Amino acid sequence: EAQVTQNPRYLITVTGKKLTVTCSQNMNHEYMSWYRQDPGLGLRQIYYSMNVEVTDKGDVPEGYKVSRKEKRNFPLILESPSPNQTSLYFCASSLRRGGDGYTFGSGTRLTVV
Amino acid sequence: GENVEQHPSTLSVQEGDSAVIKCTYSDSASNYFPWYKQELGKRPQLIIDIRSNVGEKKDQRIAVTLNKTAKHFSLHITETQPEDSAVYFCAASDNFNKFYFGSGTKLNVKP
Repeated sequence: EAQVTQNPRYLITVTGKKLTVTCSQNMNHEYMSWYRQDPGLGLRQIYYSMNVEVTDKGDVPEGYKVSRKEKRNFPLILESPSPNQTSLYFCASSLRRGGDGYTFGSGTRLTVV
Repeated sequence: GENVEQHPSTLSVQEGDSAVIKCTYSDSASNYFPWYKQELGKRPQLIIDIRSNVGEKKDQRIAVTLNKTAKHFSLHITETQPEDSAVYFCAASDNFNKFYFGSGTKLNVKP
């Protein structure tokens, strides 16, 4: 089944403890992106990647890192999480730039205390 | 950067009525406008999209219109059904890399 898989689904962590949210797609998509969703703010783009080893900042990149060493994987790294990063995170992929729209992962609800 | 505003934030309609959600954008370079539906507790799913060289696009009960001059685009749902109840997001992109989403419209279709 074609899908975008995120892990974990839920995560509670403490301020300053490094964490990684994994994202993997099995559709051979070139383009991948991370979003955070907060009430009343819609989805805001954190980082995106057009292909292996090609990444760029979205609208709200501060406090996040990404890497794209393989086409299928696009992990989101929080080196020193803070409470204002408590949010619902979505990974998304599409076949190519300007393709048929995103396929989203099922989301990761992160709480930083 | 781009600024996308979406209205209304909530919309309640009777089953069978039509629903219209409107978005405006600020960057005249934006040329791709997708719409996503997000049911409670689920991921967003693309329902329709339009590119700037097209003024209107339809898919069964759903249609999107685009007015480039006025920089606004709208989602139209006809003959609404209870399963249309969800949060709908519009988005705009100028180069298919960066996407800017509206804040969402919660649609409630009353049986």
